[in-house]
Amino acid sequence: DAKTTQPTSMDCAEGRAANLPCNHSTISGNEYVYWYRQIHSQGPQYIIHGLKNNETNEMASLIITEDRKSSTLILPHATLRDTAVYYCIVSRFNQGGKLIFGQGTELSVKP
Amino acid sequence: DGGITQSPKYLFRKEGQNVTLSCEQNLNHDAMYWYRQDPGQGLRLIYYSQIVNDFQKGDIAEGYSVSREKKESFPLTVTSAQKNPTAFYLCASSGGTGVSTDTQYFGPGTRLTVL
Repeated sequence: DAKTTQPTSMDCAEGRAANLPCNHSTISGNEYVYWYRQIHSQGPQYIIHGLKNNETNEMASLIITEDRKSSTLILPHATLRDTAVYYCIVSRFNQGGKLIFGQGTELSVKP
Repeated sequence: DGGITQSPKYLFRKEGQNVTLSCEQNLNHDAMYWYRQDPGQGLRLIYYSQIVNDFQKGDIAEGYSVSREKKESFPLTVTSAQKNPTAFYLCASSGGTGVSTDTQYFGPGTRLTVL
């Protein structure tokens, strides 16, 4: 599985957009980009995933560069409840389902 | 409400005792997984099962055992052979290995402390 690189921590003002970057320069053509988040002492929460097209759902938007070597998760209007560790993961389907969680980005949303 | 339940939320055991962590899902998912998380670290895969009566070792299976007798249940036993059992244990499930069903959904976790 491709490795991912994320900043260790980021701050965001409440109500502003939070843009979380992820580098995955060794991603293969059949690997998807997943984003999860984990609030302290809770199980990870699925946010969004994509292959090569940009994706949007009720929680966030995922922008994947044309060469697929990096992506950005966008929380359009961050709230205090979005404070969490955000994990960017690349994974193939049909491979036993293993998700490799790195250190993630600790996002702090401040009033 | 559909979801994944893990019980108990906190568990304390004495060193040398086996302990079994419960994981139940009512999402009708075929695949289930167990992960371990240590403080400040990402998750590591212990065991996974893609179908009833079948399971495979993950990256850190030593000292753990599982069973998958029913589709909705995937209990994890932490044996006395596990050298550092104190950790946060997370169970997950996914619809299967098809493209649209492979997303994993996690339970709330069980924090195990071995005294």
